[in-house]
Amino acid sequence: QVQLVESGGGVVQPGRSLRLSCAASGFTVSTHSMHWVRQPPGKGLEWVGVIAYNGHEKYYGDSVKGRFTISRDNSNNTLYLQMNSLRFEDTAVYYCARALGPFLAGEYFNFWGRGTLVTVSS
Amino acid sequence: QSVLTQPPSVSGAPGQRVIISCTGSSSNIGTDYGVQWYQQQFPGTAPKLLIYTNNNRPSGVPDRFSGSKSGTSASLAITGLQAEDEADYYCQSYDSSLSGLLFGGGTKLTVL
Repeated sequence: QVQLVESGGGVVQPGRSLRLSCAASGFTVSTHSMHWVRQPPGKGLEWVGVIAYNGHEKYYGDSVKGRFTISRDNSNNTLYLQMNSLRFEDTAVYYCARALGPFLAGEYFNFWGRGTLVTVSS
Repeated sequence: QSVLTQPPSVSGAPGQRVIISCTGSSSNIGTDYGVQWYQQQFPGTAPKLLIYTNNNRPSGVPDRFSGSKSGTSASLAITGLQAEDEADYYCQSYDSSLSGLLFGGGTKLTVL
Protein backbone atom coordinates (compact mmCIF):
# COMPACT_ATOMS: atom_id res chain seq x y z
CA GLN A 1 0.00 0.00 0.00
CA VAL A 2 1.51 3.28 -1.13
CA GLN A 3 1.85 5.88 1.58
CA LEU A 4 3.55 9.27 1.77
CA VAL A 5 3.97 11.01 5.11
CA GLU A 6 5.34 14.54 5.30
CA SER A 7 6.94 16.00 8.39
CA GLY A 8 9.12 18.89 9.49
CA GLY A 9 6.69 21.75 9.16
CA GLY A 10 6.34 24.45 11.77
CA VAL A 11 6.74 28.15 12.46
CA VAL A 12 9.94 29.77 11.22
CA GLN A 13 11.15 33.35 10.99
CA PRO A 14 11.75 35.07 7.65
CA GLY A 15 15.23 34.46 6.30
CA ARG A 16 15.66 31.21 8.21
CA SER A 17 15.79 27.63 6.89
CA LEU A 18 13.67 24.53 7.29
CA ARG A 19 13.88 21.00 5.95
CA LEU A 20 10.80 18.97 5.17
CA SER A 21 10.78 15.19 4.90
CA CYS A 22 8.48 12.83 3.02
CA ALA A 23 8.71 9.21 4.12
CA ALA A 24 7.53 6.78 1.46
CA SER A 25 6.29 3.25 1.91
CA GLY A 26 4.82 0.67 -0.44
CA PHE A 27 7.17 1.65 -3.25
CA THR A 28 10.74 2.82 -3.81
CA VAL A 29 11.33 6.55 -4.31
CA SER A 30 14.26 5.86 -6.63
CA THR A 31 11.90 4.31 -9.19
CA HIS A 32 9.60 7.33 -9.55
CA SER A 33 9.81 11.06 -10.05
CA MET A 34 8.86 12.76 -6.82
CA HIS A 35 7.41 16.25 -6.54
CA TRP A 36 6.64 18.89 -3.97
CA VAL A 37 3.47 20.94 -4.33
CA ARG A 38 2.33 23.65 -1.94
CA GLN A 39 -0.92 25.42 -1.10
CA PRO A 40 -0.98 28.76 0.74
CA PRO A 41 -3.89 29.14 3.17
CA GLY A 42 -7.11 29.73 1.27
CA LYS A 43 -5.37 29.63 -2.10
CA GLY A 44 -4.70 27.19 -4.93
CA LEU A 45 -2.04 24.60 -5.62
CA GLU A 46 1.46 25.64 -6.71
CA TRP A 47 4.11 23.32 -8.08
CA VAL A 48 7.38 23.61 -6.15
CA GLY A 49 9.72 21.20 -7.89
CA VAL A 50 10.68 17.68 -8.90
CA ILE A 51 13.50 15.17 -8.59
CA ALA A 52 13.66 12.60 -11.37
CA TYR A 53 13.80 8.88 -10.68
CA ASN A 54 17.52 8.92 -11.56
CA GLY A 55 18.16 11.49 -8.83
CA HIS A 56 20.10 13.76 -11.17
CA GLU A 57 17.51 15.89 -12.87
CA LYS A 58 15.82 18.50 -10.73
CA TYR A 59 13.52 21.34 -11.71
CA TYR A 60 11.94 24.08 -9.63
CA GLY A 61 9.21 26.64 -9.87
CA ASP A 62 10.31 30.22 -10.42
CA SER A 63 9.20 31.39 -6.98
CA VAL A 64 11.54 28.97 -5.16
CA LYS A 65 14.40 28.60 -7.63
CA GLY A 66 17.77 29.22 -5.98
CA ARG A 67 16.28 28.96 -2.46
CA PHE A 68 14.80 25.47 -2.29
CA THR A 69 16.54 22.15 -2.98
CA ILE A 70 15.00 18.72 -3.42
CA SER A 71 16.96 15.61 -2.50
CA ARG A 72 16.31 12.06 -1.44
CA ASP A 73 17.84 9.28 0.64
CA ASN A 74 17.35 5.95 -1.08
CA SER A 75 18.42 4.00 2.00
CA ASN A 76 15.63 5.61 4.05
CA ASN A 77 13.22 5.82 1.11
CA THR A 78 12.68 9.47 1.97
CA LEU A 79 12.31 12.66 -0.03
CA TYR A 80 13.47 16.02 1.30
CA LEU A 81 12.81 19.68 0.64
CA GLN A 82 15.47 22.05 1.96
CA MET A 83 14.03 25.53 2.18
CA ASN A 84 16.41 28.46 2.68
CA SER A 85 15.86 32.22 2.87
CA LEU A 86 12.23 31.70 3.73
CA ARG A 87 9.74 34.46 3.00
CA PHE A 88 6.28 35.26 4.32
CA GLU A 89 4.82 34.11 0.99
CA ASP A 90 6.29 30.61 1.48
CA THR A 91 3.65 30.00 4.14
CA ALA A 92 1.69 26.99 2.89
CA VAL A 93 0.80 23.36 3.31
CA TYR A 94 3.53 21.39 1.53
CA TYR A 95 2.61 18.11 -0.12
CA CYS A 96 4.88 15.48 -1.59
CA ALA A 97 3.49 13.53 -4.51
CA ARG A 98 4.49 10.53 -6.57
CA ALA A 99 4.35 10.95 -10.31
CA LEU A 100 3.60 8.68 -13.23
CA GLY A 101 3.99 9.29 -16.94
CA PRO A 102 6.76 10.63 -19.17
CA PHE A 103 9.16 12.70 -17.09
CA LEU A 104 7.94 16.19 -16.29
CA ALA A 105 6.06 17.15 -19.47
CA GLY A 106 3.74 14.18 -19.27
CA GLU A 107 3.64 13.56 -15.54
CA TYR A 108 0.64 13.40 -13.28
CA PHE A 109 0.34 12.83 -9.53
CA ASN A 110 -1.32 9.57 -8.58
CA PHE A 111 -0.41 9.58 -4.88
CA TRP A 112 -0.21 12.49 -2.48
CA GLY A 113 0.78 12.84 1.13
CA ARG A 114 -1.45 14.64 3.64
CA GLY A 115 0.86 17.63 3.78
CA THR A 116 2.75 19.55 6.45
CA LEU A 117 2.13 23.20 7.30
CA VAL A 118 4.95 25.71 7.13
CA THR A 119 4.29 29.13 8.61
CA VAL A 120 6.79 31.92 8.04
CA SER A 121 6.22 34.55 10.69
CA SER A 122 8.23 37.04 12.67
CA GLN B 1 -1.24 34.55 -11.01
CA SER B 2 -1.77 31.21 -12.76
CA VAL B 3 -1.42 31.04 -16.55
CA LEU B 4 -4.02 28.28 -16.60
CA THR B 5 -7.31 30.10 -16.13
CA GLN B 6 -10.30 28.46 -14.49
CA PRO B 7 -13.63 29.98 -13.44
CA PRO B 8 -13.57 30.64 -9.68
CA SER B 9 -16.85 28.86 -9.16
CA VAL B 10 -19.52 26.76 -10.85
CA SER B 11 -22.71 25.27 -9.48
CA GLY B 12 -25.38 22.78 -10.39
CA ALA B 13 -28.29 20.88 -8.94
CA PRO B 14 -28.09 17.18 -8.12
CA GLY B 15 -28.31 15.09 -11.26
CA GLN B 16 -27.27 17.92 -13.55
CA ARG B 17 -24.16 18.24 -15.70
CA VAL B 18 -21.50 20.86 -15.15
CA ILE B 19 -18.40 21.74 -17.12
CA ILE B 20 -15.26 23.31 -15.72
CA SER B 21 -12.98 25.00 -18.22
CA CYS B 22 -9.22 25.48 -18.15
CA THR B 23 -7.77 27.97 -20.60
CA GLY B 24 -4.07 28.04 -21.34
CA SER B 25 -1.78 29.02 -24.18
CA SER B 26 0.44 27.71 -26.95
CA SER B 27 3.19 26.87 -24.46
CA ASN B 28 1.09 24.55 -22.32
CA ILE B 29 -2.34 23.17 -23.18
CA GLY B 30 -1.88 24.11 -26.84
CA THR B 31 0.97 21.65 -27.22
CA ASP B 32 1.06 17.86 -27.10
CA TYR B 33 1.38 17.90 -23.31
CA GLY B 34 -1.44 16.29 -21.40
CA VAL B 35 -3.86 17.98 -19.05
CA GLN B 36 -4.69 16.53 -15.67
CA TRP B 37 -7.59 17.23 -13.30
CA TYR B 38 -7.57 16.90 -9.52
CA GLN B 39 -10.32 17.05 -6.92
CA GLN B 40 -9.69 18.50 -3.47
CA GLN B 41 -12.52 17.95 -1.03
CA PHE B 42 -11.27 20.50 1.49
CA PRO B 43 -8.38 22.97 1.29
CA GLY B 44 -5.38 21.56 3.10
CA THR B 45 -6.29 17.96 2.35
CA ALA B 46 -4.62 15.78 -0.26
CA PRO B 47 -5.92 16.26 -3.82
CA LYS B 48 -7.13 13.25 -5.76
CA LEU B 49 -6.32 12.50 -9.39
CA LEU B 50 -9.50 12.46 -11.50
CA ILE B 51 -8.29 12.63 -15.10
CA TYR B 52 -4.82 12.21 -16.60
CA THR B 53 -3.48 12.87 -20.07
CA ASN B 54 -6.58 14.76 -21.16
CA ASN B 55 -9.26 12.08 -20.96
CA ASN B 56 -8.09 9.06 -18.97
CA ARG B 57 -9.65 8.02 -15.67
CA PRO B 58 -7.64 6.20 -13.00
CA SER B 59 -9.14 3.05 -11.62
CA GLY B 60 -11.89 3.84 -9.15
CA VAL B 61 -12.91 7.21 -10.58
CA PRO B 62 -16.57 7.09 -11.69
CA ASP B 63 -17.31 7.49 -15.39
CA ARG B 64 -19.42 10.52 -14.46
CA PHE B 65 -16.12 12.39 -14.72
CA SER B 66 -14.67 12.99 -18.16
CA GLY B 67 -12.01 15.23 -19.67
CA SER B 68 -11.38 16.74 -23.05
CA LYS B 69 -8.94 19.09 -24.73
CA SER B 70 -9.23 21.31 -27.77
CA GLY B 71 -6.70 23.89 -28.89
CA THR B 72 -5.48 25.85 -25.89
CA SER B 73 -8.34 24.82 -23.61
CA ALA B 74 -9.37 21.78 -21.64
CA SER B 75 -12.58 20.86 -19.88
CA LEU B 76 -13.76 18.62 -17.09
CA ALA B 77 -17.34 17.45 -17.33
CA ILE B 78 -19.25 16.00 -14.41
CA THR B 79 -22.60 14.38 -15.12
CA GLY B 80 -25.22 13.20 -12.65
CA LEU B 81 -24.03 15.64 -10.00
CA GLN B 82 -23.94 14.31 -6.47
CA ALA B 83 -23.57 16.11 -3.16
CA GLU B 84 -20.19 14.45 -2.65
CA ASP B 85 -18.88 16.14 -5.80
CA GLU B 86 -18.81 19.47 -3.98
CA ALA B 87 -15.11 20.28 -3.90
CA ASP B 88 -12.35 22.33 -5.50
CA TYR B 89 -11.12 21.21 -8.92
CA TYR B 90 -7.72 21.99 -10.44
CA CYS B 91 -6.32 21.51 -13.92
CA GLN B 92 -2.60 20.92 -14.39
CA SER B 93 -0.21 20.84 -17.32
CA TYR B 94 3.39 21.38 -18.32
CA ASP B 95 4.58 24.71 -19.66
CA SER B 96 7.51 24.72 -22.05
CA SER B 97 8.34 28.40 -21.53
CA LEU B 98 8.63 27.86 -17.77
CA SER B 99 10.12 24.36 -18.02
CA GLY B 100 7.84 23.36 -15.22
CA LEU B 101 4.38 22.29 -14.16
CA LEU B 102 1.41 24.57 -13.76
CA PHE B 103 -1.85 24.35 -11.89
CA GLY B 104 -4.95 26.30 -12.72
CA GLY B 105 -6.26 28.65 -10.07
CA GLY B 106 -8.96 26.17 -9.06
CA THR B 107 -12.73 26.06 -9.38
CA LYS B 108 -15.12 25.60 -6.47
CA LEU B 109 -18.05 23.39 -7.38
CA THR B 110 -21.19 23.92 -5.35
CA VAL B 111 -23.97 21.34 -5.52
CA LEU B 112 -27.19 23.27 -4.93
